[in-house]
Amino acid sequence: SYELTQPLSMSVALGQTARITCGGNNIGSRNLHWYQQKPGQAPVLVIYKDTKRPSGIPERFSGSNSGNTATLTISRAQAGDEADYHCQVWDNSTFVVFGGGTKLTVL
Amino acid sequence: EVQLVESGGVVVQPGGSLRLSCAASGFTFDDYAMHWVRQAPGKGLEWVSLISWDGDITYYADSVKGRFTISRDNSKNSLYLQMNSLRVEDSALYFCAKVSSVAGGFDSWGHGTLVTVTS
Repeated sequence: SYELTQPLSMSVALGQTARITCGGNNIGSRNLHWYQQKPGQAPVLVIYKDTKRPSGIPERFSGSNSGNTATLTISRAQAGDEADYHCQVWDNSTFVVFGGGTKLTVL
Repeated sequence: EVQLVESGGVVVQPGGSLRLSCAASGFTFDDYAMHWVRQAPGKGLEWVSLISWDGDITYYADSVKGRFTISRDNSKNSLYLQMNSLRVEDSALYFCAKVSSVAGGFDSWGHGTLVTVTS
């Protein structure tokens, strides 16, 4: 079955750039989606199809996907960006695959 | 505005059964496949099941196959998850979710309903 690997946690200084990775075998050939989840809340789609932002998502959020690694980049990190971030792809055999999630701390 | 509201989560003993519901509004319910996704306390998201727009096609994660049944009633704009033979490891917050036809990702989620399986 297909697997997505994310770091368990990472931190970023206020105003700096956070890069959260999501690894998978030839993940660049798949459409990759990113979700932000704050404590006690449902996930929110922040990047879809590798690089696209839903309406209402700040331009500070961007994505890339190539080879075996997809990356969610958060520029000029704010305290409100502190959350768990999950990557997700579709798979023919297991249908929906999520990464384990990365807890982002803004220092 | 799209709204998904789950209900039915309770504390249940191992081996017990439970039926979750998800009431949908703000979109044409029978235009979309629907999903259940769960999240154990302090853990990541785990996809559980999906059902086609008309209910004819269903898929399940291996972890719940044979024990859970997804269904829908388009006349009531409602999604269901019948959970049988519950295990401690089924304890989680259960979300219903809708996939965007444009984005391809889950663009709408409910707030979740908590299922706790404990003796």
